[in-house]
Amino acid sequence: DAGVIQSPRHEVTEMGQEVTLRCKPISGHNSLFWYRQTMMRGLELLIYFNNNVPIDDSGMPEDRFSAKMPNASFSTLKIQPSEPRDSAVYFCASSLARTGAGETQYFGPGTRLLVL
Amino acid sequence: DAKTTQPTSMDCAEGRAANLPCNHSTISGNEYVYWYRQIHSQGPQYIIHGLKNNETNEMASLIITEDRKSSTLILPHATLRDTAVYYCIVRVPRGYQKVTFGIGTKLQVIP
Repeated sequence: DAGVIQSPRHEVTEMGQEVTLRCKPISGHNSLFWYRQTMMRGLELLIYFNNNVPIDDSGMPEDRFSAKMPNASFSTLKIQPSEPRDSAVYFCASSLARTGAGETQYFGPGTRLLVL
Repeated sequence: DAKTTQPTSMDCAEGRAANLPCNHSTISGNEYVYWYRQIHSQGPQYIIHGLKNNETNEMASLIITEDRKSSTLILPHATLRDTAVYYCIVRVPRGYQKVTFGIGTKLQVIP
């Protein structure tokens, strides 16, 4: 079975450029999460979607960050304009939220972003 | 989410059992204990979860104390590929709850 798919796997860009990260969740999952991981701050939740609707975006660092989920099989995380401090590994995760059952998140391989 | 406390790092000899502890003294009655691990340069991977009974799957066993204030993840025969950071998380299973992964335990399996 295909797991969570993320693209690109690596991205190097210059400060001020727009960066778009993409995620395809596991088919049938109804929840999608975007995380950012750095050495200093560890793994941070940025935003959570349920049934394609953003539920909690309190972790989005600032207005330069935006996320969309136009359908159940695709999500994007956009940074515009990018800054060197945005350099991190960005993970997408998906899960199937069901009443009464444990909600296990399955993570993608991550996108390693370097902003010069 | 209830807070968890884990040792920062542990070593384990290859082939021996790795026992990773987690304290969650403020866990509430409807919160489950979840374990994930993150191997270097990969995304976190789900291992196991439980409520109050001990659980076992093909990867590991989870032992939860009777008062549920602590738990232990057991890798019965650690291999070099089990070297990773292991995260213990407590959360309710229903609905949305922000998951905090914390620092975790860096397990080093030694040949």
